[in-house]
Amino acid sequence: GQQVMQIPQYQHVQEGEDFTTYCNSSTTLSNIQWYKQRPGGHPVFLIQLVKSGEVKKQKRLTFQFGEAKKNSSLHITATQTTDVGTYFCAGEGGSEKLVFGKGTKLTVNP
Amino acid sequence: NAGVTQTPKFRVLKTGQSMTLLCAQDMNHEYMYWYRQDPGMGLRLIHYSVGEGTTAKGEVPDGYNVSRLKKQNFLLGLESAAPSQTSVYFCASNDFYEQYFGPGTRLTVT
Repeated sequence: GQQVMQIPQYQHVQEGEDFTTYCNSSTTLSNIQWYKQRPGGHPVFLIQLVKSGEVKKQKRLTFQFGEAKKNSSLHITATQTTDVGTYFCAGEGGSEKLVFGKGTKLTVNP
Repeated sequence: NAGVTQTPKFRVLKTGQSMTLLCAQDMNHEYMYWYRQDPGMGLRLIHYSVGEGTTAKGEVPDGYNVSRLKKQNFLLGLESAAPSQTSVYFCASNDFYEQYFGPGTRLTVT
């Protein structure tokens, strides 16, 4: 079945440093979504990418979808303590369900 | 709008006991999902539903049953709880875009 791999599993940064998490799918995706889960909370939708090579920005967050629609990345510029949490990618391969990566847990040292 | 709500928030069961987790959404979404989240494992799909009266198996369905008798409700049942079912359970719903998650149910089976 479809698998979505996400690296790294953990990332610890100093406040102000950049952060990137990568997502790779075993199959071509129709779209990819990114979610953020704060400690003790539930996943919250950040963005959806649909087009090959698509790049979207949300303030300090930059999301990319690969040309082959099998990989994606989330980059955070100049991290802040409010960025702490686990970031998940989730790929949809044409069915009604998403397959989630295992997530990257980001901690930020002030 | 309350969004997606889950009942109960916490529960402790003994091995062999049964229980039902309730998920309700007030957004008139067709699709609903049950996930479990374990440390380092991300979100794994248990069962899902694409509409009232329909259910389908996800990645880890064994030991669980579901029902969707009303569009707004999605029930997850454990007939005979096992310690391996200790987890945080999230319900989610969506239409054609992002998934909206409930606050989660923390279940411990002793």
